[in-house]
Amino acid sequence: EDQVTQSPEALRLQEGESSSLNCSYTVSGLRGLFWYRQDPGKGPEFLFTLYSAGEEKEKERLKATLTKKESFLHITAPKPEDSATYLCAVRGGSNYKLTFGKGTLLTVNP
Amino acid sequence: SQTIHQWPATLVQPVGSPLSLECTVEGTSNPNLYWYRQAAGRGLQLLFYSVGIGQISSEVPQNLSASRPQDRQFILSSKKLLLSDSGFYLCAWRKGDDTNYGYTFGSGTRLTVV
Repeated sequence: EDQVTQSPEALRLQEGESSSLNCSYTVSGLRGLFWYRQDPGKGPEFLFTLYSAGEEKEKERLKATLTKKESFLHITAPKPEDSATYLCAVRGGSNYKLTFGKGTLLTVNP
Repeated sequence: SQTIHQWPATLVQPVGSPLSLECTVEGTSNPNLYWYRQAAGRGLQLLFYSVGIGQISSEVPQNLSASRPQDRQFILSSKKLLLSDSGFYLCAWRKGDDTNYGYTFGSGTRLTVV
């Protein structure tokens, strides 16, 4: 069974204070690791898909990296509008579904 | 462009009442469709998925059911709601012919069973 563990559960940063979120996973035949952003009361918003170890993707202040066991979402010089819950999910080789972690609640204070 | 619609946005229902949540996708054909539930303090839990009309796979046995009467329509139902059915219900779609394509979520329905 695919499993995803995200840490920390919550992270509070000052504006401009860079940090990283962790996503550890176990999956049989990784078909993709997905990062989503979710604002309160809304559906998850797609950020990145990573497919193989060593792959990196960037979008504005966010950069996602992937190894064989974990993924990191690096946030550089965050702003208050980056505050949200960040979700990590994996899709295994034999499944149609995404298996999600519980998310990291990021708060960026001005 | 493709869009996904989900309604209603919020719903308060008494225990034992029926439920019907609807999701439609526009701008694509033969999508894979999904129903997820998000409870407080828990990750998104897959409830049902469908790869075609009339084809429904259930991930979690419970008093919910799903149907896909049309290619781009996905319905989540219950005959009698339980308190434990409260949560945030999300519909999602993915291109059926591209196994590496990302999943797009709807805006969700907040269901409170009282």
